Amino acid sequence: DAKTTQPPSMDCAEGRAANLPCNHSTISGNEYVYWYRQIHSQGPQYIIHGLKNNETNEMASLIITEDRKSSTLILPHATLRDTAVYYCIVRLTNTDKLIFGTGTRLQVFP
Amino acid sequence: DAGITQSPRHKVTETGTPVTLRCHQTENHRYMYWYRQDPGHGLRLIHYSYGVKDTDKGEVSDGYSVSRSKTEDFLLTLESATSSQTSVYFCAISVWGPGTGSNEQFFGPGTRLTVL
Repeated sequence: DAKTTQPPSMDCAEGRAANLPCNHSTISGNEYVYWYRQIHSQGPQYIIHGLKNNETNEMASLIITEDRKSSTLILPHATLRDTAVYYCIVRLTNTDKLIFGTGTRLQVFP
Repeated sequence: DAGITQSPRHKVTETGTPVTLRCHQTENHRYMYWYRQDPGHGLRLIHYSYGVKDTDKGEVSDGYSVSRSKTEDFLLTLESATSSQTSVYFCAISVWGPGTGSNEQFFGPGTRLTVL
């Protein structure tokens, strides 16, 4: 049970912001939201994670709603190399298990 | 890539033959994992290990066994391969953040296994 719901696919124009939504309505107070992506045929790559506050790193920003029932991953200036499947995962604090859903296939076009 | 390598990268075998996949890491991490990925599915956890000789089953462990005799190597064995085990296999390690209760998993490049 992946505990998250994501749209199966999205498109984004190169240079524009890509906003990938994720619903996690049953999230518990001690569960983190993680985002990974998988570029064709490669192993998944960690992007970002958060618990309650919004987070930003060199790759992306993570916006978590106040009730924590949903989040959005933002790639501020999408490039063709950002074309990948993006996975939103919730994970218990102090555990290591990741349960992958089917993710969102993001296609960045020129 | 956290120093993770997998071997072989590609393998074709026949039903009923034993197959062993190797995951090797160079950074002395305790936590290691084996996943499989099939079309239309995300990654599914097969087995995991928290250290030498400390292994446990994941959600899809039937037909697989693992061994960890050294920290750096985590072996996945299909005792008698079946066509349903045709898949891409990924190894991963966990790196824990300092005092945050969170961790990141880093994945190897994958092994594409075909069972005829």
